[in-house]
Amino acid sequence: DTGVSQDPRHKITKRGQNVTFRCDPISEHNRLYWYRQTLGQGPEFLTYFQNEAQLEKSRLLSDRFSAERPKGSFSTLEIQRTEQGDSAMYLCASSFGLLQETQYFGPGTRLLVL
Amino acid sequence: QKEVEQNSGPLSVPEGAIASLNCTYSDRGSQSFFWYRQYSGKSPELIMFIYSNGDKEDGRFTAQLNKASQYVSLLIRDSQPSDSATYLCAVAAGGTSYGKLTFGQGTILTVHP
Repeated sequence: DTGVSQDPRHKITKRGQNVTFRCDPISEHNRLYWYRQTLGQGPEFLTYFQNEAQLEKSRLLSDRFSAERPKGSFSTLEIQRTEQGDSAMYLCASSFGLLQETQYFGPGTRLLVL
Repeated sequence: QKEVEQNSGPLSVPEGAIASLNCTYSDRGSQSFFWYRQYSGKSPELIMFIYSNGDKEDGRFTAQLNKASQYVSLLIRDSQPSDSATYLCAVAAGGTSYGKLTFGQGTILTVHP
């Protein structure tokens, strides 16, 4: 069990560019979550998957954001036409089980949009 | 009203003292409650979870839950400088949003020697 991994760990991009982040959950975990965290705030929920199905998306997730988990294993989060307000830490978490599951976080991807 | 509220601090305690961190939540349907620790520049690390009213102890940490008052707390006994971090309270929703965590803004704890 190597824990949740995320790639890249840091990303600097220019406004208007597209970026894609990857998350690999703990191997037996069937739920995968994406959160966003800005300085001085707690993480905010973006979306989550159970296996390959995307079950909920936050209103924070504009049309520029899309997430996939095609085979129920790793997930990608894409941001199109990035804006400076997208600068944040993007966190992925995974969990296993139907009741009272505990989420374990990856190291995060820190995005800076110039 | 925020869904999950914490005193942002900073809370400063001397080494060896008890640190008390508090959290209130607004959704009475909330099922599970978590405390995460986050060091600067790092991701949240789970410390404890609690589901039932009362106290739950794990080493130097004690979580307390009072669903009637919609209140969760974390006590850290014998605080150490290495406990200095931001502590995040997280609440898991029930119903169709089951599992989604709502976080407070975090309490900054500083333990000074």
